[in-house]
Amino acid sequence: DTEVTQTPKHLVMGMTNKKSLKCEQHMGHRAMYWYKQKAKKPPELMFVYSYEKLSINESVPSRFSPECPNSSLLNLHLHALQPEDSALYLCASSLGTGGSSNEGQFFGPGTRLTVL
Amino acid sequence: GQNIDQPTEMTATEGAIVQINCTYQTSGFNGLFWYQQHAGEAPTFLSYNVLDGLEEKGRFSSFLSRSKGYSYLLLKELQMKDSASYLCAVRDNTNAGKSTFGDGTTLTVKP
Repeated sequence: DTEVTQTPKHLVMGMTNKKSLKCEQHMGHRAMYWYKQKAKKPPELMFVYSYEKLSINESVPSRFSPECPNSSLLNLHLHALQPEDSALYLCASSLGTGGSSNEGQFFGPGTRLTVL
Repeated sequence: GQNIDQPTEMTATEGAIVQINCTYQTSGFNGLFWYQQHAGEAPTFLSYNVLDGLEEKGRFSSFLSRSKGYSYLLLKELQMKDSASYLCAVRDNTNAGKSTFGDGTTLTVKP
């Protein structure tokens, strides 16, 4: 299995809703990432988990709450979002976070989020 | 911090060769990645360079010069399906796991 899966593919939510994005990989990767991508812009790093521990939080607002239940799963809990949070949310994984010849990140297809 | 520059757009002809350049300034370097992203899809990992020199993978090659803060992605025998955005990303050694992406180069391949 060489892919990263994400659910749902599309999500529309109101500003008072609570929802969760899910990401799964079975490649034995120990690093997992959440990115936010706006149209015609590069992915913007939000969080990094390394060995199931949060290693990087890029000053993301608390209305985004990540969770890593185990080495294969990564969730992003959403609460009280704003319309400007509408974007493509990408999950990625890599073997690790250090320097190595094969440590490119493998991206999931993303969840397209619209906040009304 | 990181500062990464790539051309915004490039156009090339099917069957030709195109070189996409990336220059970077970083406080600590721990590898450079190239990704391909088709419109509406997720990025796909293409190549990784951490030492100076050329890495070849089929029609795609990537070059790195750490002393110059410079990399390029070389695409040979261009196909229409190569039309996509190409993202250069630099990983630093001060914040493990963090790669900063350039704004991407949109390549259009014409018949």
